[in-house]
Amino acid sequence: TQMSQSPSALSASVGDTVTITCRASDNIQSWLAWFQQKPGKAPKRLISKASALESGVPSRFVGRGSGTEFTLTITNVQPEDFATYYCHQYNYYWTFGQGTRVEI
Amino acid sequence: QLVESGGDTVQSGRSLRLSCTSSGFNFGECAVNWFRQAPGQGLEWVGNIRSAVYGATTEFAASVEGRFSISRDDSEAIAHLDMSNLKPEDTGVYYCTASRDGYYLDYWGQGTLVTVSS
Repeated sequence: TQMSQSPSALSASVGDTVTITCRASDNIQSWLAWFQQKPGKAPKRLISKASALESGVPSRFVGRGSGTEFTLTITNVQPEDFATYYCHQYNYYWTFGQGTRVEI
Repeated sequence: QLVESGGDTVQSGRSLRLSCTSSGFNFGECAVNWFRQAPGQGLEWVGNIRSAVYGATTEFAASVEGRFSISRDDSEAIAHLDMSNLKPEDTGVYYCTASRDGYYLDYWGQGTLVTVSS
Protein backbone atom coordinates (compact mmCIF):
# COMPACT_ATOMS: atom_id res chain seq x y z
CA THR A 1 0.00 0.00 0.00
CA GLN A 2 1.42 3.35 -1.05
CA MET A 3 0.89 6.38 1.14
CA SER A 4 0.81 9.83 -0.39
CA GLN A 5 0.95 12.98 1.75
CA SER A 6 0.25 16.54 0.84
CA PRO A 7 1.59 19.10 1.01
CA SER A 8 5.25 18.14 1.31
CA ALA A 9 5.87 21.33 3.29
CA LEU A 10 3.86 24.19 4.66
CA SER A 11 4.51 27.43 6.47
CA ALA A 12 2.48 28.44 9.48
CA SER A 13 2.48 30.94 12.29
CA VAL A 14 1.85 30.29 15.96
CA GLY A 15 -1.89 30.15 16.48
CA ASP A 16 -2.71 28.98 12.95
CA THR A 17 -4.67 25.87 12.04
CA VAL A 18 -3.00 23.51 9.56
CA THR A 19 -4.23 20.37 7.84
CA ILE A 20 -2.18 17.58 6.31
CA THR A 21 -3.78 15.06 3.96
CA CYS A 22 -2.78 11.45 3.50
CA ARG A 23 -4.10 9.12 0.82
CA ALA A 24 -3.69 5.36 0.75
CA SER A 25 -3.56 3.41 -2.49
CA ASP A 26 -5.72 0.67 -0.93
CA ASN A 27 -8.49 0.59 1.61
CA ILE A 28 -6.71 0.49 4.97
CA GLN A 29 -9.89 0.87 7.03
CA SER A 30 -8.79 2.88 10.07
CA TRP A 31 -5.34 1.34 10.46
CA LEU A 32 -3.56 4.63 10.17
CA ALA A 33 -1.21 6.43 12.53
CA TRP A 34 0.36 9.87 12.51
CA PHE A 35 3.91 10.46 13.70
CA GLN A 36 5.78 13.63 14.55
CA GLN A 37 9.53 13.75 14.07
CA LYS A 38 11.96 16.45 15.10
CA PRO A 39 15.53 16.64 13.75
CA GLY A 40 17.77 13.96 15.16
CA LYS A 41 14.95 12.31 17.10
CA ALA A 42 12.95 9.13 16.67
CA PRO A 43 9.40 9.46 15.36
CA LYS A 44 6.80 9.97 18.03
CA ARG A 45 3.32 8.55 17.50
CA LEU A 46 0.57 11.11 18.00
CA ILE A 47 -2.50 9.29 16.76
CA SER A 48 -3.39 5.67 16.07
CA LYS A 49 -6.41 4.04 14.48
CA ALA A 50 -6.96 7.20 12.45
CA SER A 51 -8.31 9.32 15.31
CA ALA A 52 -7.22 7.93 18.70
CA LEU A 53 -4.91 10.34 20.49
CA GLU A 54 -1.91 8.78 22.19
CA SER A 55 -1.54 9.39 25.90
CA GLY A 56 -0.08 12.80 26.65
CA VAL A 57 -0.66 14.23 23.18
CA PRO A 58 -2.41 17.62 23.23
CA SER A 59 -6.00 17.74 22.02
CA ARG A 60 -5.09 20.31 19.34
CA PHE A 61 -4.00 17.32 17.23
CA VAL A 62 -7.03 15.81 15.49
CA GLY A 63 -7.02 12.85 13.14
CA ARG A 64 -9.91 12.00 10.84
CA GLY A 65 -10.75 9.68 8.00
CA SER A 66 -11.10 6.05 7.01
CA GLY A 67 -10.61 3.88 3.96
CA THR A 68 -8.22 5.80 1.73
CA GLU A 69 -8.45 9.44 2.81
CA PHE A 70 -7.14 10.80 6.08
CA THR A 71 -6.30 14.17 7.59
CA LEU A 72 -4.29 15.46 10.50
CA THR A 73 -5.35 18.89 11.72
CA ILE A 74 -3.36 20.93 14.21
CA THR A 75 -5.35 23.80 15.68
CA ASN A 76 -3.66 26.71 17.45
CA VAL A 77 -0.19 25.65 16.30
CA GLN A 78 2.41 26.00 19.04
CA PRO A 79 6.19 26.57 18.67
CA GLU A 80 6.90 22.96 19.64
CA ASP A 81 4.72 21.70 16.76
CA PHE A 82 7.18 22.74 14.06
CA ALA A 83 8.39 19.36 12.85
CA THR A 84 7.89 16.77 10.13
CA TYR A 85 4.73 14.67 10.19
CA TYR A 86 4.32 11.22 8.69
CA CYS A 87 1.24 9.15 8.09
CA HIS A 88 1.71 5.40 8.46
CA GLN A 89 -0.51 2.48 7.49
CA TYR A 90 -0.43 -0.75 9.45
CA ASN A 91 -3.33 -2.51 7.78
CA TYR A 92 -1.04 -4.88 5.92
CA TYR A 93 2.64 -4.71 6.60
CA TRP A 94 3.87 -1.16 7.01
CA THR A 95 4.38 1.90 4.84
CA PHE A 96 4.87 5.55 5.57
CA GLY A 97 4.08 8.72 3.70
CA GLN A 98 6.97 10.84 2.48
CA GLY A 99 6.39 13.42 5.21
CA THR A 100 5.10 16.96 5.59
CA ARG A 101 7.43 19.54 7.03
CA VAL A 102 5.64 22.19 9.08
CA GLU A 103 7.84 25.23 9.32
CA ILE A 104 7.54 28.74 10.61
CA GLN B 1 11.72 0.24 26.12
CA LEU B 2 13.88 -0.67 23.14
CA VAL B 3 17.48 0.38 22.68
CA GLU B 4 19.37 -0.08 19.42
CA SER B 5 23.13 -0.29 19.26
CA GLY B 6 25.88 -1.19 16.84
CA GLY B 7 25.57 1.62 14.34
CA ASP B 8 28.85 2.60 12.72
CA THR B 9 30.55 3.90 9.59
CA VAL B 10 31.66 1.08 7.34
CA GLN B 11 32.93 0.71 3.81
CA SER B 12 30.80 -0.60 1.01
CA GLY B 13 30.79 -4.40 0.88
CA ARG B 14 31.44 -4.85 4.60
CA SER B 15 29.17 -6.30 7.26
CA LEU B 16 27.64 -4.90 10.43
CA ARG B 17 25.46 -6.22 13.24
CA LEU B 18 22.85 -4.09 14.96
CA SER B 19 21.30 -5.08 18.26
CA CYS B 20 17.94 -4.26 19.78
CA THR B 21 17.73 -4.71 23.54
CA SER B 22 14.38 -4.62 25.30
CA SER B 23 13.15 -4.10 28.81
CA GLY B 24 9.87 -3.59 30.59
CA PHE B 25 7.63 -5.84 28.50
CA ASN B 26 7.37 -9.45 27.41
CA PHE B 27 9.79 -9.42 24.50
CA GLY B 28 9.28 -13.09 23.72
CA GLU B 29 5.63 -12.54 22.83
CA CYS B 30 6.43 -9.82 20.32
CA ALA B 31 7.38 -9.71 16.68
CA VAL B 32 10.38 -7.48 16.06
CA ASN B 33 10.58 -5.23 13.04
CA TRP B 34 13.43 -3.15 11.72
CA PHE B 35 12.85 0.08 9.86
CA ARG B 36 15.31 2.54 8.42
CA GLN B 37 15.32 6.17 7.46
CA ALA B 38 17.77 7.48 4.89
CA PRO B 39 18.94 11.07 5.41
CA GLY B 40 16.09 13.48 4.67
CA GLN B 41 13.75 10.65 3.68
CA GLY B 42 10.77 8.81 5.10
CA LEU B 43 10.78 5.47 6.87
CA GLU B 44 11.14 2.15 5.13
CA TRP B 45 10.42 -1.33 6.48
CA VAL B 46 13.53 -3.51 6.40
CA GLY B 47 12.46 -6.84 7.83
CA ASN B 48 11.01 -8.70 10.77
CA ILE B 49 11.17 -11.77 12.91
CA ARG B 50 8.05 -13.28 14.38
CA SER B 51 7.79 -14.61 17.88
CA ALA B 52 8.76 -18.17 18.72
CA VAL B 53 5.07 -19.12 18.82
CA TYR B 54 5.03 -18.38 15.11
CA GLY B 55 8.30 -20.15 14.47
CA ALA B 56 10.54 -17.07 14.66
CA THR B 57 10.24 -16.82 10.90
CA THR B 58 11.71 -13.84 9.11
CA GLU B 59 10.75 -11.67 6.14
CA PHE B 60 12.64 -8.93 4.39
CA ALA B 61 12.09 -6.09 2.00
CA ALA B 62 13.23 -6.81 -1.54
CA SER B 63 15.98 -4.19 -1.23
CA VAL B 64 17.78 -6.19 1.47
CA GLU B 65 16.68 -9.78 0.78
CA GLY B 66 19.67 -12.08 0.74
CA ARG B 67 21.98 -9.54 2.40
CA PHE B 68 20.28 -8.99 5.76
CA SER B 69 19.20 -11.49 8.40
CA ILE B 70 17.45 -11.17 11.77
CA SER B 71 17.79 -13.36 14.81
CA ARG B 72 16.49 -13.20 18.36
CA ASP B 73 17.41 -14.49 21.78
CA ASP B 74 14.32 -14.31 23.94
CA SER B 75 16.24 -15.39 27.05
CA GLU B 76 18.30 -12.20 26.68
CA ALA B 77 15.40 -10.13 25.30
CA ILE B 78 17.53 -9.09 22.36
CA ALA B 79 17.25 -9.15 18.58
CA HIS B 80 19.98 -8.70 16.01
CA LEU B 81 19.97 -7.35 12.48
CA ASP B 82 22.94 -8.75 10.59
CA MET B 83 23.77 -6.78 7.48
CA SER B 84 26.23 -7.99 4.86
CA ASN B 85 27.48 -6.68 1.52
CA LEU B 86 26.46 -3.19 2.63
CA LYS B 87 25.83 -0.55 -0.01
CA PRO B 88 25.85 3.25 0.24
CA GLU B 89 22.06 3.20 -0.16
CA ASP B 90 21.84 1.27 3.13
CA THR B 91 22.93 4.45 4.93
CA GLY B 92 20.42 5.72 7.44
CA VAL B 93 19.07 5.53 10.95
CA TYR B 94 17.85 2.04 11.83
CA TYR B 95 14.97 1.64 14.25
CA CYS B 96 13.73 -1.53 15.89
CA THR B 97 10.12 -1.90 16.94
CA ALA B 98 8.16 -4.57 18.73
CA SER B 99 4.57 -5.65 18.07
CA ARG B 100 2.47 -7.60 20.54
CA ASP B 101 -0.37 -8.34 18.14
CA GLY B 102 -1.09 -7.69 14.51
CA TYR B 103 0.70 -4.93 12.67
CA TYR B 104 0.57 -2.26 15.38
CA LEU B 105 4.06 -1.15 16.35
CA ASP B 106 3.76 -1.02 20.13
CA TYR B 107 7.30 -0.07 21.02
CA TRP B 108 10.03 1.91 19.26
CA GLY B 109 13.71 2.38 19.87
CA GLN B 110 15.59 5.65 19.49
CA GLY B 111 17.54 4.53 16.44
CA THR B 112 21.17 3.86 15.55
CA LEU B 113 23.03 5.42 12.61
CA VAL B 114 24.62 3.33 9.90
CA THR B 115 26.79 5.06 7.34
CA VAL B 116 28.14 3.13 4.37
CA SER B 117 30.90 4.86 2.48
CA SER B 118 31.87 4.06 -1.06
